[in-house]
Amino acid sequence: AQKITQTQPGMFVQEKEAVTLDCTYDTSDPSYGLFWYKQPSSGEMIFLIYQGSYDQQNATEGRYSLNFQKARKSANLVISASQLGDSAMYFCAMREGPNAGNNRKLIWGLGTSLAVNP
Amino acid sequence: GAGVSQTPSNKVTEKGKYVELRCDPISGHTALYWYRQSLGQGPEFLIYFQGTGAADDSGLPNDRFFAVRPEGSVSTLKIQRTERGDSAVYLCASGTGVNNEQFFGPGTRLTVL
Repeated sequence: AQKITQTQPGMFVQEKEAVTLDCTYDTSDPSYGLFWYKQPSSGEMIFLIYQGSYDQQNATEGRYSLNFQKARKSANLVISASQLGDSAMYFCAMREGPNAGNNRKLIWGLGTSLAVNP
Repeated sequence: GAGVSQTPSNKVTEKGKYVELRCDPISGHTALYWYRQSLGQGPEFLIYFQGTGAADDSGLPNDRFFAVRPEGSVSTLKIQRTERGDSAVYLCASGTGVNNEQFFGPGTRLTVL
């Protein structure tokens, strides 16, 4: 079974509008972390936002926010006020296991390709 | 400061050859990760180092793949008897352990002919 599922292979959004990229996850570990990365056509993975499984508040970083619904096991990324430079692949990833001090592998989804139209 | 660097950026080799891919992590980062990304896929974990030792090598696909980090800084991923299926972008990341955030390098694109 897929641990990270991104059901949208491609998405379009109009510049300046908000867009939500979906991510669902599957784990039996009570402690885990969820990540979103951006991969532009240049290929480099750029960290966007992190949510810990015990975090009470949804994570926010500038125009990025993570809509964390623990019971539904979803961790959707919301990008507000889309810009042309947001066009890229977006990957959701999960770390299974406790927080800081433990370094563990990330399990990745297949990604969503976002195109921002002018 | 300097980010993660990887060399070479591109490597073309013939089936059966041996290749080495190098990763220079961010200075002071104790954790180092190798991933492989095939076209149209998300990254696939290969191995991670905590210091000099491999803390988790469960992602290495077979014994043709090996990685070292002898001084706890630079790491080399070694692939013996390359096969066409090894063609992919090999990504390296480093981290401090805080929330497991990983900082990625630009990758090495390996093409096996």
